[in-house]
Amino acid sequence: QKEVEQNSGPLSVPEGAIASLNCTYSDRGSQSFFWYRQYSGKSPELIMSIYSNGDKEDGRFTAQLNKASQYVSLLIRDSQPSDSATYLCAVNGDSNYQLIWGAGTKLIIKP
Amino acid sequence: DTAVSQTPKYLVTQMGNDKSIKCEQNLGHDTMYWYKQDSKKFLKIMFSYNNKELIINETVPNRFSPKSPDKAHLNLHINSLELGDSAVYFCASSQRASGSWGYEQYFGPGTRLTVT
Repeated sequence: QKEVEQNSGPLSVPEGAIASLNCTYSDRGSQSFFWYRQYSGKSPELIMSIYSNGDKEDGRFTAQLNKASQYVSLLIRDSQPSDSATYLCAVNGDSNYQLIWGAGTKLIIKP
Repeated sequence: DTAVSQTPKYLVTQMGNDKSIKCEQNLGHDTMYWYKQDSKKFLKIMFSYNNKELIINETVPNRFSPKSPDKAHLNLHINSLELGDSAVYFCASSQRASGSWGYEQYFGPGTRLTVT
């Protein structure tokens, strides 16, 4: 059974600091990795995808992938209260069409 | 411009009734999905269609039946609704991301189903 694990939180970070969210996965053969943000009462929104080892930056967001250690992380620089949400990690499953989802980490940015 | 849309947004119904949820995407994607998100917020895949062909059919009660009349539409029909069916149902669509082989999924706004 392929699994994706995240700390459920809540993770509390002061405004302006760096928020670090982590995710581990069980299938060493996984190739596609995604971070979604879900505000309360809303749908998941794709914020980052990463396919190669290393870092990928997009604005205040940086995704980091380490396939050898089977973890993927998301860094949010200069955290804002509007970043408060649940962050979902997803990894491809048996097919490229299928994603295996973590349970999400609730992030709270304190003003 | 709505990318993935679902109707209705809210659905309140009694046990034993039959209901349908509709989904449409205007992204030109080939693949569509139905997810269930329960009160614990865990996203569970139910079904997926690629070009009208069923490609993912997870273990869900056969009271749930998806239908894809064309690749832009995916509907979900639920027979004999039960209390445990109360959840948020999300539709999503995907296509291979440019320059990679990963499929990025884009979600509709969700349908909150409450069975009383």
